[in-house]
Amino acid sequence: AILLTQSPSSLSASVGDRVTITCRASQAINTALAWYQQKAGKAPKLLIYDSSNLESGVPSRFSGSGSGTDFTLSISSLDPEDFATYYCQHFNAFPQTFGPGTKVEI
Amino acid sequence: EVQLVESGGDLVQPGGSLRLSCAASGFTFSRYSMNWVRQVPGEGLECLSYISSSGRTIYYADSVKGRFTISRDNAKNSVYLQMDSLRAEDTGIYYCARERTRDAFDVWGQGTMVTVSS
Repeated sequence: AILLTQSPSSLSASVGDRVTITCRASQAINTALAWYQQKAGKAPKLLIYDSSNLESGVPSRFSGSGSGTDFTLSISSLDPEDFATYYCQHFNAFPQTFGPGTKVEI
Repeated sequence: EVQLVESGGDLVQPGGSLRLSCAASGFTFSRYSMNWVRQVPGEGLECLSYISSSGRTIYYADSVKGRFTISRDNAKNSVYLQMDSLRAEDTGIYYCARERTRDAFDVWGQGTMVTVSS
């Protein structure tokens, strides 16, 4: 199975900061990577698909990039509603494993 | 409104069985592959099982292979997860999720809690 690692595991930031989260795959997955946001007590919400495509309705301050094994999720200017946990997930093969998550805290 | 609603979560003893259901509405269910995802509260997400739109292709994570069975009824717009030989480590929130053409889980249910404990 393809393993995904994320860094950092958590970070502290302030409203207005630029935040970057990285996701690394154990083998090349082309651009078959999605990013999700999860808030406490809620289901994950899709942000980015196919590495860099913004899901409809997601604010443009979110962006994704990367291919092969290295990927990034960036938030250009952190909003109070962005404090949450972020997960990457690959779609190269089953199981479509998730990364361990990055918690963005104040 | 596009929606997935899970049900069937409960407290069950180790070795017991449980059947989860996920009812879909607001979209053409038969066109989409579906997945079950588990999350231990406070921890990460684990893909458990996949079923193609027709039901002909099925995958399981190693952690549940041989114990869990995924199925779907396109006439009832529902996907199911039969869980047998349950273990304490199966405790968690179970989500069903719609898969959009091999690139994302774009619709999620609210989750149903399964607790395996004596």
